[in-house]
Parts: sequence; structure tokens; C-alpha cells
Amino acid sequence: EVQLVESGGDLVQPGGSLRLSCAASGFTFSSYAMNWVRQAPGKGLEWVSGISASGSNPYYADSVKGRFTISRDNSKNTLYLQMNSLRAEDTAVYYCAKVGDSSAYYYRFDWGQGTLVTVSS
Amino acid sequence: DIQMTQSPSSVSASVGDRVTITCRASQGVSSWLAWYQQKPGKAPKLLIYAASSLQSGVPSRFSGSGSGTDFTLAISSLQPEDFATYYCQQAHSFPLTFGGGTKVEIK
Repeated sequence: EVQLVESGGDLVQPGGSLRLSCAASGFTFSSYAMNWVRQAPGKGLEWVSGISASGSNPYYADSVKGRFTISRDNSKNTLYLQMNSLRAEDTAVYYCAKVGDSSAYYYRFDWGQGTLVTVSS
Repeated sequence: DIQMTQSPSSVSASVGDRVTITCRASQGVSSWLAWYQQKPGKAPKLLIYAASSLQSGVPSRFSGSGSGTDFTLAISSLQPEDFATYYCQQAHSFPLTFGGGTKVEIK
């Protein structure tokens, strides 16, 4: 059974930094692309970032490009999101999401339970 | 970027009703489209992928159709556990994008 457990969410001041982690189990982590998707309070889903199975190819939404960095450690079965220069509009629940198969297409997501990031002074 | 537009944004329906939700892409996404269900305080759950393929374990009352720019999610006979918000997502190109969501409420 796929398990994705996010951690690292916290209250942080505007301009601050935070690193989220996603511990994966129940599948061969190194074979699947991974993603971060966020949901602001009372709002819809917004894809934030994705990374290929090898880690060689990261992708970002324009809203976070240059501020967030996605990475993975396949030896530790863990996905990361380094978040810098945080803004109030980054406040959201951040979900870790595994793609459904090893094709090139990033969808058919399995989801973690999410971790809350609050950016406020 | 490909914009995904869902309609309606909300719908009120009764148990046993047939409900249809549409999702329109601003440019063609072939069949690289998924539908998710989300209940309050919970993570989304995959229902449909490749526009019309039912995810394992999902009840057959859910179905998806369409290709290119126009897609539909149908619930043939609404059950109490189906009251939730539904999202479409395109995987044709980056950035990946979701529709704005459709909330299915109890009439």
C-alpha cells in the first residue's frame, strides 16, 4: 500500500524559509515521479512542483519559480520542498503526490495527508 | 499555460440523481485528464484517469468521457458518500493545472 507522510509544516514569518519532507513507503520510490500540490484555506488545488524519478528534471509553477526548490533522496525514499522568501499567499496545506505509473505523464496521483504551512507575522 | 474551466461551480442534487460535471481545457490535452474527489479536511482521491478509465476500487456509478478540450464526469445515481468537491487535472503539459472545482451539495 502506498504511504506518503508529509512533515515540516509550521508558522513562519513573511520572508522566511521552511523545508517540507515527504516520507514514502509501499512502492519503489526511485521509479516514480513525485509532486507537491497545495491548497490555500477554502480554495482549490494548485500544483506547485514536480520532479522526475531520477531527480534530474524538476518542474515548477510560475508562482514559486525562483523561490522553491524540489529535490529527492532515492536512498532515503524521501521527497523535499525547500521554500524560501515565503509570502502570505503561500499559506496552504501542502500535499505530496505520487504519479500513478512510470510513464512520462504526471497525473493519476496518490496523495499524502498534507502538512499546513502558515505564513504570517 | 492550459486553463481548466469546470462547470458548474456547485450543484445541489438529491440521492439517486444523475449528476454531470464538465471540464473544458483552453487547448487540447488529448486524453491526459484525471478526475479527483475531495471531502472536507481530507486529501483528494483519484476517480478517473486517461479521461475515461475508472481507478481500481472506485464504484462503477462514476464515469468519465471526452478528449481534446471537453470532458465530462458523470455520477449515475448519487449516493450520500458522493457529496464532495470534484476537480479535473490536465497532464498534457507543464505547468500541470486543475479546474476550479465543483461542489456537489445535498438538495
